[in-house]
Amino acid sequence: GQQVMQIPQYQHVQEGEDFTTYCNSSTTLSNIQWYKQRPGGHPVFLIQLVKSGEVKKQKRLTFQFEKKKKNSSLHITATQTTDVGTYFCAGNLGGYQKVTFGTGTKLQVIP
Amino acid sequence: NAGVTQTPKFRILKIGQSMTLQCTQDMNHNYMYWYRQDPGMGLKLIYYSVGAGITDKGEVPNGYNVSRSTTEDFPLRLELAAPSQTSVYFCASSQGTLGYTFGSGTRLTVV
Repeated sequence: GQQVMQIPQYQHVQEGEDFTTYCNSSTTLSNIQWYKQRPGGHPVFLIQLVKSGEVKKQKRLTFQFEKKKKNSSLHITATQTTDVGTYFCAGNLGGYQKVTFGTGTKLQVIP
Repeated sequence: NAGVTQTPKFRILKIGQSMTLQCTQDMNHNYMYWYRQDPGMGLKLIYYSVGAGITDKGEVPNGYNVSRSTTEDFPLRLELAAPSQTSVYFCASSQGTLGYTFGSGTRLTVV
């Protein structure tokens, strides 16, 4: 079946440092979504990328979908304590809107 | 506009008992999903529905059942609860190719 892996599994950064999580799919994706889950909370949709090579920004967050549409990344510039949580990518093979969630990257920001 | 509402928020079941986790959405979304999330892990799809009267299995359907009699409601039934079903259960909905909206989750412990 479709596998979506994320690295790293955990990341501790000092506040103000940058952070990147990578999402790798075993198969080509029609689109990819990113979610953030705060500790004890539920996943919250951040963004969706559809086009090959697409780059989108949300304030300090930059999302990329590489040209072969198998890999994606989320980069946070100058992390803040509010960025703490687990970041999940979710890949869609197409057809029905049914995605496969990645394994997640847990971000801890040290003040 | 409440989004996706899940009840109950917490529940303790004894082995062999049954229960229904309720999920309702007021966004008129066609697609609805049930996920489980074990501690420190990602999200695994249990069942999904692409519209009223249509349901299909996800990757971990054993021990669960669903129904979708209306667009709004998508209850998840646990029959003969087992300790392996101790988890956090999330219901989600989506419309077309847009991102998922998750409920706040049900934390279930089977003892």
